[in-house]
Amino acid sequence: QKEVEQNSGPLSVPEGAIASLNCTYSDRGSQSFFWYRQYSGKSPELIMSIYSNGDKEDGRFTAQLNKASQYVSLLIRDSQPSDSATYLCAVKWQTGFQKLVFGTGTRLLVSP
Amino acid sequence: DGGITQSPKYLFRKEGQNVTLSCEQNLNHDAMYWYRQDPGQGLRLIYYSQIVNDFQKGDIAEGYSVSREKKESFPLTVTSAQKNPTAFYLCASSTYPTPQALYNEQFFGPGTRLTVL
Repeated sequence: QKEVEQNSGPLSVPEGAIASLNCTYSDRGSQSFFWYRQYSGKSPELIMSIYSNGDKEDGRFTAQLNKASQYVSLLIRDSQPSDSATYLCAVKWQTGFQKLVFGTGTRLLVSP
Repeated sequence: DGGITQSPKYLFRKEGQNVTLSCEQNLNHDAMYWYRQDPGQGLRLIYYSQIVNDFQKGDIAEGYSVSREKKESFPLTVTSAQKNPTAFYLCASSTYPTPQALYNEQFFGPGTRLTVL
């Protein structure tokens, strides 16, 4: 089992729709979860952090966390073509050094 | 402006050559990290440093070396022992990572793209 799993996509949604990106992780003790956006050829940019079960909203972005199911998701409302990018899920590992473990990312394509 | 800078943006290496990638941060972060990203793969941790004058191997340290003589700087050397160095190299920094500290967001520099000729 991969440590952090994401569907590679591409996930295609029309402009204005809700994009739903999912991530599962294997370290049951993990407490901190992050979503990064990475445009092609650029470095990752942190867009959301979540630490508690439930939803956390920031503008058009909502992060959802369910520690019992070891599942974290990112919803993007009113998707725009400028949201087209790869979204990386990262989990702060609790075993050993507190490193971030990254998924391979989900590519999102928003069509006008 | 606070942030992380990496140089050069593009780097070309000949066979048998060592090259050094620069990473500087002015965020006053204690911890710094080097990652490698290959197409279709997630970020893989090469080395990390939690404090000055201390660093540890990550998951794929073979063929790489680092130093941490100053809090602001964490250069990465790709040695000739690294057989497949072509990749996108990313430097990141964060506050000191502990199990109790939830807020250890890592922030990335713009990256260096290394190509072997």
